[in-house]
Amino acid sequence: AQSVAQPEDQVNVAEGNPLTVKCTYSVSGNPYLFWYVQYPNRGLQFLLKYITGDNLVKGSYGFEAEFNKSQTSFHLKKPSALVSDSALYFCAVRSPPTGKLIFGQGTTLQVKP
Amino acid sequence: SQTIHQWPATLVQPVGSPLSLECTVEGTSNPNLYWYRQAAGRGLQLLFYSVGIGQISSEVPQNLSASRPQDRQFILSSKKLLLSDSGFYLCAWSLTGGSSPLHFGNGTRLTVT
Repeated sequence: AQSVAQPEDQVNVAEGNPLTVKCTYSVSGNPYLFWYVQYPNRGLQFLLKYITGDNLVKGSYGFEAEFNKSQTSFHLKKPSALVSDSALYFCAVRSPPTGKLIFGQGTTLQVKP
Repeated sequence: SQTIHQWPATLVQPVGSPLSLECTVEGTSNPNLYWYRQAAGRGLQLLFYSVGIGQISSEVPQNLSASRPQDRQFILSSKKLLLSDSGFYLCAWSLTGGSSPLHFGNGTRLTVT
């Protein structure tokens, strides 16, 4: 069965510092991986995805994610955090081609000025 | 460009009353449509998904039902609400194909009193 784990409920970083939000997954076969962000009382916004190819994927708002097959991880990163990045972040995985999209439990990112 | 509309934004309903939440998508044809529920601002639970008109798959047996009367319209209903139906309901759409991300509406905050 496919699953995704976000081991940290909350990540705290200072503005201007790099940030990492962790995600590990378990699927049979090659995964499709996604990151979403959710602001309070809003829907989820798609940030980026990994399907195949380059292990470093760039997405919206300066975010990027690194796919590591040997560690079955897909960590979200940003070189310099902004206070406005504070939100709830979800990792999701799908076992292609028609598997359901499974979401992690979410990680709250708090960026302090 | 594609847009998704979901309404109402908030709803307070008494126990035992009916429910109807509507979601429409513009700018695309034959999308996959989804209803999710998010409890306590964290994990997402897939309730229903649809790959075409009249085609509904239920993920979790419960007090809710879904219908897709038109290609880009998805409705979530209940005949009699329970207290446990309270939550944040999110509609989403995607193109067919496992690599396509989901795109979410802004959600409906339902409080059953």
